[in-house]
Amino acid sequence: AQSVTQPDIHITVSEGASLELRCNYSYGATPYLFWYVQSPGQGLQLLLKYFSGDTLVQGIKGFEAEFKRSQSSFNLRKPSVHWSDAAEYFCAVGALPATGNQFYFGTGTSLTVIP
Amino acid sequence: NAGVTQTPKFRILKIGQSMTLQCTQDMNHNYMYWYRQDPGMGLKLIYYSVGAGITDKGEVPNGYNVSRSTTEDFPLRLELAAPSQTSVYFCATPSKGRHLGGANVLTFGAGSRLTVL
Repeated sequence: AQSVTQPDIHITVSEGASLELRCNYSYGATPYLFWYVQSPGQGLQLLLKYFSGDTLVQGIKGFEAEFKRSQSSFNLRKPSVHWSDAAEYFCAVGALPATGNQFYFGTGTSLTVIP
Repeated sequence: NAGVTQTPKFRILKIGQSMTLQCTQDMNHNYMYWYRQDPGMGLKLIYYSVGAGITDKGEVPNGYNVSRSTTEDFPLRLELAAPSQTSVYFCATPSKGRHLGGANVLTFGAGSRLTVL
């Protein structure tokens, strides 16, 4: 069965420090992987996606993620966190359009940034 | 701007009342989804539609109904509201990606926060 695990419910980092948010997935075929960010009271915004090719993908706002097939992971990183990065982050795995339920989301990681 | 529009943004219902959450997209996409988001639970798929006139259940459809009479609109109806339906509801539609495999990226509405008392 398809599933996405985000083992960290909440993370606190200092502004300027590096960040890594973990994501592990279980999927029976080649996964399409996504990271979304949700600011308080807002909808979800796409940060980055992996479909194929280079396993290190760059996204918006200085984020990047690395796909590691051997570890079934797609961890999100940022070298230097800004206070505006405080938000909820969701990892998701997607399927090809032929299947009805195309997307499976993790439970999210809440990021707090302290000055 | 092209996107997904949800109304209302906030609503308080009494137990047993009914209401409809509206969702409209202007991207001419076939697929549309309704998710609910609960703290610590991520997003759960309620219903989805693959085109006008076609809908199907997701993971958590009980207590909800949907219709899809047009490509643009995908309303979600709660017939007898219960406290367990207190949640934030998101409508979304997948954009056709440029990848050859056709993988899609979801565009979300801003959400509808529903409280049932």
